[in-house]
Amino acid sequence: AQKITQTQPGMFVQEKEAVTLDCTYDTSDPSYGLFWYKQPSSGEMIFLIYQGSYDQQNATEGRYSLNFQKARKSANLVISASQLGDSAMYFCAMRESNDYKLSFGAGTTVTVRA
Amino acid sequence: DAGVTQSPTHLIKTRGQQVTLRCSPKSGHDTVSWYQQALGQGPQFIFQYYEEEERQRGNFPDRFSGHQFPNYSSELNVNALLLGDSALYLCASSPENTEAFFGQGTRLTVV
Repeated sequence: AQKITQTQPGMFVQEKEAVTLDCTYDTSDPSYGLFWYKQPSSGEMIFLIYQGSYDQQNATEGRYSLNFQKARKSANLVISASQLGDSAMYFCAMRESNDYKLSFGAGTTVTVRA
Repeated sequence: DAGVTQSPTHLIKTRGQQVTLRCSPKSGHDTVSWYQQALGQGPQFIFQYYEEEERQRGNFPDRFSGHQFPNYSSELNVNALLLGDSALYLCASSPENTEAFFGQGTRLTVV
C-alpha cells in the first residue's frame, strides 16, 4: 500500500507568490517523522523541513513551512515568496518509528514563472 | 565540511555486467542508505548500513549487495545488470536515525 501520496504531478507559480504542495500519508504507527526534500535537475536531494508526529507546532524553516494536520494525515509544504531557484521536484517522505527507511511519494514538479 | 559524495556521477554498462557505486558519507555520519530512483518516480529504499552491517533491506533482489567500511564509506554492487536497473542511485547518510543527507547521485544507464 502506498504510504505517501502526492496528488499534484506539476504546478506553476508566479515569482514572489506562495505555493502549497499536498502530501497525505498512511500509517498506524503513532510515532513517525515527515520530511520534505527538494530535487533540482542536478539530482541531489536537498532536505528542507521535518515534522515529528508528536510535535505540537507546525515546523518552519525560512520560507518553508509545514501545515501538519494529524487527524487528516496531511503534511502540506508551503513555500512563501517563490523564487526562480525554487523550480524543482519536491518529495514528501515518511519514516515510521520501527523503520530505518524513508518512504517517498511520487513527487510534485514546481515551475516558478518570472 | 564536505557533504555526501558519490562516484562516479554517470555510468554506462551493458546488460549482464556488474557495477560498483561508491559513497562517502558526510563527516560524523555513521549510517549509510542507498536508494534507487527511476525516471519520474520517487526514490525506493534498497538497504541501509550501520556499523558495517546491513541493518535493513528493501524489496530488491539479491543481485543488489553492499558493503560498509570502517570509515563509514559504502559501496553498492549490482550483478547481472538488467535494462530495468537504469536509474539514479542515491546515497544518503545520517548520524544515527535522523534526517538523511543525500549525495548528488550516480546515473546508471544499462544498454
